This record gives sequence, C-alpha cells and structure tokens, in this order.
Amino acid sequence: NAGVTQTPKFRVLKTGQSMTLLCAQDMNHEYMYWYRQDPGMGLRLIHYSVGEGTTAKGEVPDGYNVSRLKKQNFLLGLESAAPSQTSVYFCASSRATSGTFNEQYFGPGTRLTVT
Amino acid sequence: RKEVEQDPGPFNVPEGATVAFNCTYSNSASQSFFWYRQDCRKEPKLLMSVYSSGNEDGRFTAQLNRASQYISLLIRDSKLSDSATYLCVVNPGGFKTIFGAGTRLFVKA
Repeated sequence: NAGVTQTPKFRVLKTGQSMTLLCAQDMNHEYMYWYRQDPGMGLRLIHYSVGEGTTAKGEVPDGYNVSRLKKQNFLLGLESAAPSQTSVYFCASSRATSGTFNEQYFGPGTRLTVT
Repeated sequence: RKEVEQDPGPFNVPEGATVAFNCTYSNSASQSFFWYRQDCRKEPKLLMSVYSSGNEDGRFTAQLNRASQYISLLIRDSKLSDSATYLCVVNPGGFKTIFGAGTRLFVKA
C-alpha cells in the first residue's frame, strides 16, 4: 500500500515550457487535491476533485489545469510555466465527506523550479 | 488579516520542556480544526483533530476557544523527535481548507 505517490520529485523548467505532474493514490479515496506550498505561506489549494471525471477550482487556479480521468489519478498541468510557479506541489487525497473534514493524506511533493 | 495566523517561531526548547503554540482564525463560522505536523522537506501529516471539548493524545493536548477564535497545541516532555513544523488547519465548511504557514519547533538535547 503506497498511499499517495507523485511524479516527478524534482523538475526544472524554463519559462514558457509545459509539464504535467502526476498524482496516484491506492486508497480508493473519492477526493483528491493539488496544493502549492511557498515559504512563509500555508498550503494553498489549486484545484480539487470530488470524483472521477470532476474537477473544481481552488484558491489559486490560474495557470494550472487538472484532469481526473481515473479515480486513482489526478494530473496537474502547467501549460506555460512562469517563475511565479516555482514552488513545492503537494497532492492529497481523502475519503468522501459528509460535511465534516476528513483527514487528508499527502504525497511526498514535487519541487518545481521555473527559470 | 490572514484567515489563519500562526507565530512562525522558531521555538527553541530543551528536551523535556513544555511548549505551546497558538493559532488564530478569522472566520467565526469555521467548523473543523486540526493540527498537522510537517518534517523538513516532507509532506504534512495529521497530528490530531481539535474538538470543542479539547482532546489529548499522549504528550499532546489540543484546545479550541471559539469565543476568542483560536486553537492551541501543547506539547509536554518534548523529545528531539518533536522537532518539526506544526501546521494549524481550519475548515470553514466545504472544501475551503485553510492551512496556516506553520510554527517551527526545534527541540535540543
């Protein structure tokens, strides 16, 4: 049982390049999330998904797109990377909630640098 | 004003000390509260939930004060392994989960 995995772990991009971050979970969780974490700031929600085939915007969605074609996978895309997107990206998953917040399980993170 | 505010620290304490962190939140309608722990260059992990009546897990005690809109985390008998960043997490409802920036703790021998 690997939990939540993320690939790649590290990446350096040039401004304007594109890339996709992959998140996979083997806990059969309904909900999945993408966050970014920057120094001195809390984790900020980029996009989230409440089930296969559904996605929604979080707090800081601009410049990112997501897809959830399979329940276990949640992809985060950067179409045209900018230096402001240099950050650590965390994926998380949780069971479906009924109005209360369930524990989120996080992946190990992807450290992205955009030059 | 940030929705969730924490003292960034760092808190430097000797082994065996008792240390307390506070976290304030701005949305009085917030429903759920949590403390997560994040080790250096690692992912956050749930430490404990914070209930209205307070809760205790071994050396860790969490309290909620709705009137003053803050939660606290008390660590007794600090261990070297407690060195980490402690994240305050507030859920005002739905998917709007707000993470504080974290409080860094260093426990020294």
